[in-house]
Amino acid sequence: SYELTQPLSVSVALGQTARITCGGNNIGSKNVHWYQQKPGQAPVLVIYRDSNRPSGIPERFSGSNSGNTATLTISRAQAGDEADYYCQVWDSSTGFVFGTGTKVTVL
Amino acid sequence: QVQLQESGPGLVKPSQTLSLTCTVSGGSISSGGYYWSWIRQHPGKGLEWIGYIYYSGSTYYNPSLKSRVTISVDTSKNQFSLKLSSVTAADTAVYYCASLLIEWFDPWGQGTLVTVSS
Repeated sequence: SYELTQPLSVSVALGQTARITCGGNNIGSKNVHWYQQKPGQAPVLVIYRDSNRPSGIPERFSGSNSGNTATLTISRAQAGDEADYYCQVWDSSTGFVFGTGTKVTVL
Repeated sequence: QVQLQESGPGLVKPSQTLSLTCTVSGGSISSGGYYWSWIRQHPGKGLEWIGYIYYSGSTYYNPSLKSRVTISVDTSKNQFSLKLSSVTAADTAVYYCASLLIEWFDPWGQGTLVTVSS
């Protein structure tokens, strides 16, 4: 089965840049989607198809995908960006797969 | 944009069947192009896709849950439903319904906690 690995936690200073990685075998050949989940809330889509932002998502959120790693970048991090972030792909054998999740802390 | 709302019992006994319904508002479930999905999240854990249904009734389930899962749709009520049979404590989770477009889920319902306990 296909697996996606994320760091357990990422810390970023207020106003700086956070990078959250999502590792998977040849993930660069797949479309990667990212979700933000704040405590007690449902996940919200922040990036789809590697690097596209849904309407209403700030330009500070961006994504890239190549080789075995996809990355979600949060620029000029704000306190409101504190949340868990999950990557997700579609795999023909496994179905829809989510990453292990990363907790982002803004210091 | 469409909105989704889960409903159903918050407590289910072991070995029984968990049943949840998702009501779609702000759009028609039969409009096409969207697949209607269930996803769950064990307490303090990550996300697990359960399955999806198209308005026509075609379904696709997570292979790891396939033997216990049934998803159905009622276009007249703009609802779709989840049944998970033979539940155990390991099925205790927050269950979300979500709209699936091509490969990504957006939007999601607020989620409902289902506890399996006697």
